[in-house]
Amino acid sequence: YVLTQPPSLSVAPGETARIACGGDNIRSKSVHWYQQKAGQAPVLVINYDRDRPSGIPERFSGSNSGNTATLTISRVEAGDEADYYCQVWDISSDHRVFGGGTRLTVL
Amino acid sequence: QVQLRESGPGLVRPSETLSLTCTVSGESISDYFWSWIRQPPGKGLEWIGYISHGGSPHYNPSLKSRVTMSLDTSKNHFSLSLSSVTAADTAVYYCARDEAETGGLDYWGQGNLVTVSS
Repeated sequence: YVLTQPPSLSVAPGETARIACGGDNIRSKSVHWYQQKAGQAPVLVINYDRDRPSGIPERFSGSNSGNTATLTISRVEAGDEADYYCQVWDISSDHRVFGGGTRLTVL
Repeated sequence: QVQLRESGPGLVRPSETLSLTCTVSGESISDYFWSWIRQPPGKGLEWIGYISHGGSPHYNPSLKSRVTMSLDTSKNHFSLSLSSVTAADTAVYYCARDEAETGGLDYWGQGNLVTVSS
């Protein structure tokens, strides 16, 4: 199972960032999103399509429909600059699969 | 608070076996699945495999022939072995708690950089 993400996205502070994750009938899978800042381990920011773990700001939200899942970051801040990865559980193979990652740059 | 910490050598010679341990605190490893993930320098994340709370492993097919995972409940840690390493195995290796019901990885270790070089 293959997940496709745009390599990069640039947004101005205060704007909304929408990071796409494409996969065949991805709506049938649980999608998770991770934020990885430079030199740090990934952090789960969206679990199970749209659930925010404790401590994750409400500015982070997720959706999943058709062949695309989306991570939305509202009112982007400089501290949101990071690489973002989507990930699913491919039930048929029981594998965890990552997208290639999207580097978010805050202008 | 669940915490994970990887430990192991930072340098492994080509053709040898890479061995890492992930020590878990704040949670019993008998209650969850546990995954290993790696990230080559400047590249994306690659899932290596998981081991279930019962000790049953499941590996990424691309690495299956070289990977072994195990669980030690007495020490509350789990381990990764990767044999016949080459420079392509140079990466930061992460361990993470795996929510078996959704496949999400909710707690991660800080990572252990392993360099394969003679």
